[in-house]
Amino acid sequence: EAQVTQNPRYLITVTGKKLTVTCSQNMNHEYMSWYRQDPGLGLRQIYYSMNVEVTDKGDVPEGYKVSRKEKRNFPLILESPSPNQTSLYFCASSRPGLMNTEAFFGQGTRLTVV
Amino acid sequence: DQQVKQNSPSLSVQEGRISILNCDYTNSMFDYFLWYKKYPAEGPTFLISISSIKDKNEDGRFTVFLNKSAKHLSLHIVPSQPGDSAVYFCAASSRDTDKLIFGTGTRLQVFP
Repeated sequence: EAQVTQNPRYLITVTGKKLTVTCSQNMNHEYMSWYRQDPGLGLRQIYYSMNVEVTDKGDVPEGYKVSRKEKRNFPLILESPSPNQTSLYFCASSRPGLMNTEAFFGQGTRLTVV
Repeated sequence: DQQVKQNSPSLSVQEGRISILNCDYTNSMFDYFLWYKKYPAEGPTFLISISSIKDKNEDGRFTVFLNKSAKHLSLHIVPSQPGDSAVYFCAASSRDTDKLIFGTGTRLQVFP
């Protein structure tokens, strides 16, 4: 079954404690991205990756890091989480190309930073 | 700077009637548009899309209309069903980037 898997689904952490949210896809997609969803703001892109070892900032990259060492994995790293990073996070993957921009999303990670 | 806007945060429709969700965009370079549906505790799922060379695309009960001159698209659901109750996001992309720009979402509630 084609899917994007995020872990964990829920996470409560304290300010400043480094954390990683993992994302894995089994569709051999080149393009992967991270979004955060906040009330009234929709889905905003944090970082994206066009392929292995190629990453770039999205609209709200501050406070986040990513890596793309393998095609299937795209972890999101919060080196020093702060309360304003409390949000619902989604990982997505897709094939590049205009007519293939349908993105497949993971189930989401609800992060609370206290 | 919100390039894709969904001005109605919520919509309530009776079962069997038509649901119309609207989306406006500001970037004239956008040439591909998509609608995603999101249920609680799940990720968004692709619903329907339209290229800028078309003005209508239909898939079963779902039809997307694109008015390029007005920079407006809409999603029509006919007939609406209670299972359609979800948050709907419109998204847009342009030829020179695969980046999807999402709107803020509209929560649709279909009541019996």
